[in-house]
Amino acid sequence: GAVVSQHPSRVICKSGTSVKIECRSLDFQATTMFWYRQFPKQSLMLMATSNEGSKATYEQGVEKDKFLINHASLTLSTLTVTSAHPEDSSFYICSARVPGAGGHEQYFGPGTRLTVT
Amino acid sequence: AQSVTQLGSHVSVSEGALVLLRCNYSSSVPPYLFWYVQYPNQGLQLLLKYTTGATLVKGINGFEAEFKKSETSFHLTKPSAHMSDAAEYFCAVSDKRTGANNLFFGTGTRLTVIP
Repeated sequence: GAVVSQHPSRVICKSGTSVKIECRSLDFQATTMFWYRQFPKQSLMLMATSNEGSKATYEQGVEKDKFLINHASLTLSTLTVTSAHPEDSSFYICSARVPGAGGHEQYFGPGTRLTVT
Repeated sequence: AQSVTQLGSHVSVSEGALVLLRCNYSSSVPPYLFWYVQYPNQGLQLLLKYTTGATLVKGINGFEAEFKKSETSFHLTKPSAHMSDAAEYFCAVSDKRTGANNLFFGTGTRLTVIP
């Protein structure tokens, strides 16, 4: 099946610094990737939809200047958390839409746990 | 707007017993339906999906789910629970009508398997 990787799996950063998370589709090209955020013991909340070669579409309430998304190639999307604060600590998960699967199937990366101290 | 309700945030079953995880959706048009499993500190793995055709869908690890339009349900079942089934399970839908890509997730059900 389709494989999606994320790097890093865990990151600890100091408040005020920026952190970049990578999401890669390893064996397929993904024109669309998604970024989710998951708080402890809660469900996934869609943050934004990342489209290759164009600007990301952010969900209501998500600060686009804080969560920078770049989808420069068909296999890589990055999420940069700028000027991170402790409240940004969370589990970030990306997914990629599989072409030809009716446009509705997504494969998920293993997630990145961000801790801001 | 899409919404997904998972009844029971926690479900405990004995090893070997039937697993039943409930999912109901709210939509005027039947959506695409998915069940995902999440193990601790990991991403989501697709268990099964319903898009069209046969309403009883078989997935991995012995799980299956049945789409019941009249009940707007897509409950997940497994005849005999195994210790390795202990995880968080998420039901999700996507909008078939608008062709939306994004998934709407339920709040999840944590399955505990008692030896």
